[in-house]
Amino acid sequence: GENVEQHPSTLSVQEGDSAVIKCTYSDSASNYFPWYKQELGKRPQLIIDIRSNVGEKKDQRIAVTLNKTAKHFSLHITETQPEDSAVYFCAASQTSGTYKYIFGTGTRLKVLA
Amino acid sequence: GAVVSQHPSRVICKSGTSVKIECRSLDFQATTMFWYRQFPKQSLMLMATSNEGSKATYEQGVEKDKFLINHASLTLSTLTVTSAHPEDSSFYICSVPTGGGYTFGSGTRLTVV
Repeated sequence: GENVEQHPSTLSVQEGDSAVIKCTYSDSASNYFPWYKQELGKRPQLIIDIRSNVGEKKDQRIAVTLNKTAKHFSLHITETQPEDSAVYFCAASQTSGTYKYIFGTGTRLKVLA
Repeated sequence: GAVVSQHPSRVICKSGTSVKIECRSLDFQATTMFWYRQFPKQSLMLMATSNEGSKATYEQGVEKDKFLINHASLTLSTLTVTSAHPEDSSFYICSVPTGGGYTFGSGTRLTVV
């Protein structure tokens, strides 16, 4: 089955700096890769996603890149703000919205003011 | 976006008793729902796929007789933790595929004493 690894497990950055979180997956059949943000005690919220036919996607300060050949994808957050502090999870799935997601182990991001 | 309601948000039960957790899709008909478990500072681990009108599909290592799943309608899935033990204490969260990805319930923090 699919296995998703995520690094780093914790990340501290100064406000205004960029943060990068990386994930690798094992199943070449996976074709949908969402990223979720989870604040303490709350439900995960989708922040951005990418499908396998696209190499990069951007939404304001957030971007995701995908390298299908290498089976890795990354989340990039620019101009970080204290409210970006949370746990971020990547996931891999074979079909958007209809197939189970396998989540990475999570990255605890702390943005220092 | 879709709204997923999960109840209760917190429950404390005695060891050996059973606890039922409800996941409702308020504005989206869901033939499939997913149940995840999250231990403190850990990732979301898929427990089972809840299928409307048929048996749930359990992930490897998850005891189907301990974690009973019922998906009797397109808007409701229930997870019953039977004969709960302290090691079952965790954050249980459901998710609903809603076309554009998953929508998560608000989660249930179960504490078994």
